[in-house]
Amino acid sequence: QLVESGGGLVQPGGSLRLSCVVSGFTFSSYWMSWVRQAPGKGLEWVANIKEDGSEKTYLDSVKGRFTISRDNAKNSLYLQMNSLRAEDTAVYYCARGHSAPDSWGQGTLVAVSS
Amino acid sequence: EVVLTQSPGTLSLSPGDRATLSCRASQSVSSRFLAWYQQKPGQAPRLLIYDVSTRVTGVPDRFSGSGSGTDFTLTISRLEPEDFAVYYCQQYGTSPPFTFGPGTKVDIK
Repeated sequence: QLVESGGGLVQPGGSLRLSCVVSGFTFSSYWMSWVRQAPGKGLEWVANIKEDGSEKTYLDSVKGRFTISRDNAKNSLYLQMNSLRAEDTAVYYCARGHSAPDSWGQGTLVAVSS
Repeated sequence: EVVLTQSPGTLSLSPGDRATLSCRASQSVSSRFLAWYQQKPGQAPRLLIYDVSTRVTGVPDRFSGSGSGTDFTLTISRLEPEDFAVYYCQQYGTSPPFTFGPGTKVDIK
């Protein structure tokens, strides 16, 4: 099970930190990803992180603004989002896997608006 | 970046019909790294098929994937009521970003 939290309404230029708590599998053995979906739109891969946190990759449009991290002791995945833009408005999903995630959370909505 | 296009945008069919969904890539997808997802309203996506044709455990065998290079197909042999949903293809053969197609909606005729 993957449970996201931390979404909400934020003004352009603001920050949010998303969290995802995992249970039911050995979190430290898996790459993890964040994938987002703008309202009424398709899916967009955002970032992923290696099992031990030593490798991270990002979508170009979020590089330098978003930071993915994890705490294996807490079975938790995070996404720190800074300098948010209107186009970042989406449901953000935490997902298990490097590239083709096989298990997904229910998502948390981030709305960027003044 | 590999761009995926899916056709048709919407497929209107009846239960029991065969559904054929297409996914085309702007360049060859390396190492057969193509996946298909199903998404129902208000739900998270569900991985159905990875590596072009490998079904995830628990996915009914009426779902099958095929293709190579730039052209891929998801076939649902006989539609069940629970299969009406949006289907996305995704490539993960190149370095990130792992791009998704825009989706095909399968709705009830």
